[in-house]
Formats: sequence, C-alpha cells, structure tokens
Amino acid sequence: AQSVTQLDSQVPVFEEAPVELRCNYSSSVSVYLFWYVQYPNQGLQLLLKYLSGSTLVKGINGFEAEFNKSQTSFHLRKPSVHISDTAEYFCAVRQGGKLIFGQGTELSVKP
Amino acid sequence: GAGVSQSPSNKVTEKGKDVELRCDPISGHTALYWYRQSLGQGLEFLIYFQGNSAPDKSGLPSDRFSAERTGGSVSTLTIQRTQQEDSAVYLCASSLAAGGLNEQYFGPGTRLTVT
Repeated sequence: AQSVTQLDSQVPVFEEAPVELRCNYSSSVSVYLFWYVQYPNQGLQLLLKYLSGSTLVKGINGFEAEFNKSQTSFHLRKPSVHISDTAEYFCAVRQGGKLIFGQGTELSVKP
Repeated sequence: GAGVSQSPSNKVTEKGKDVELRCDPISGHTALYWYRQSLGQGLEFLIYFQGNSAPDKSGLPSDRFSAERTGGSVSTLTIQRTQQEDSAVYLCASSLAAGGLNEQYFGPGTRLTVT
C-alpha cells in the first residue's frame, strides 16, 4: 500500500519569504502525486498534480513542485508567499481510485 | 458551474443516534468518494463508487458505517449508533471517472459532532 509523509506539521514564515513544504511517498512502479490546499473552513482545492512528463510541475497561485524519483519526494515550493497563502496543505498519492493523504502541513504567513 | 455540495454543513447528534450525510456530486461525474478528516487521524479515505461497479469499501472503519449511491448521482453516508470518535468533518468528492488522470473535486464537508 502507498503512504505519504509530510515532514513538517507546521511551517511559520514571514510574508514575501520563500517556502518549501516537504512530502515523501512510498516507492511504487508508477505514481500519481497531488498537492491540495485547504483554506480555513473550506473544502480541499487542487494546487497541482504530477502524472508523468516533466518533473517540475507548476500549479495555481504561484506554487510549484518537483518530482524526484530517486528521493521519492514531491516537495512544494513558492518563491514569495503572501498572507493569503495561510492554509493547510496536503500531499496525496493515488492508489487505485482513491487518494492517500499525508498528515498535512499548516502554513502560517506572518506580516 | 455547480460544484460538489454537501448537506447539512453542520450536524450535532447525541451518542447512539443514527445520522445521514448527503452528497451531490458534479453533474456527469461517475466517480464519488467519501473521506473523513479528524484531528487525530488526518484525512482518511472511507469509500468510493465508480459507475455501476461494486464500491470500494476498504476504508470504512466499522460496520456502523455504510453508504449508498442512488441512480448514479446523489450519495448518502450513514453512521449508525454514533460514537464520540465519529466526530469529524466528512468530505465528499467526485471525478469524471475513478483513477487515471481524473481530478477529484471536493465539497465543503459536513462537520459532525457527537455529544
């Protein structure tokens, strides 16, 4: 069975600073990876996904992630964060039809 | 267009009562999923439906939990004899089909509190 580990439960950062949210997955022959964002009191919204092809994936709101097969990682990055990026971020891997999620990383952007 | 909708948005129930949570998927989506989000367990898969195939129930935590999908559209998640550990946000999602390249679109969730 697939599994996902998000290494940081909370990441505080100042506005306009860069940020990296870490995600590692269990190895598999082929893997579909996702990052979702959950703003306070809202549902999950897809930020980006890796299915195949280029290992650098660009998503919405200026986020990007890099698929690294040798490291079994799919870290999320943004070069300059805004207050509005404060939210919880979930990394997920597809297993059959369902998604297996990491525990989430709470990003807190401070002025 | 309309997204995934869930009702009620909040539900408070007494321990031992049964509850029903409803999900309306995006029109035309053949796959429908239920997940649970709780403080202790994070986001957990519960069950998914794909067209007329038998549902994947592998994530249901006990036989008190069941779900059905009528007419390939609306789904109801039923929890019988609720326990305090059932308190969580129940999220529904839908996609054009299960697996492959298909994105899952999530509803806003139903917050269940068992007192």
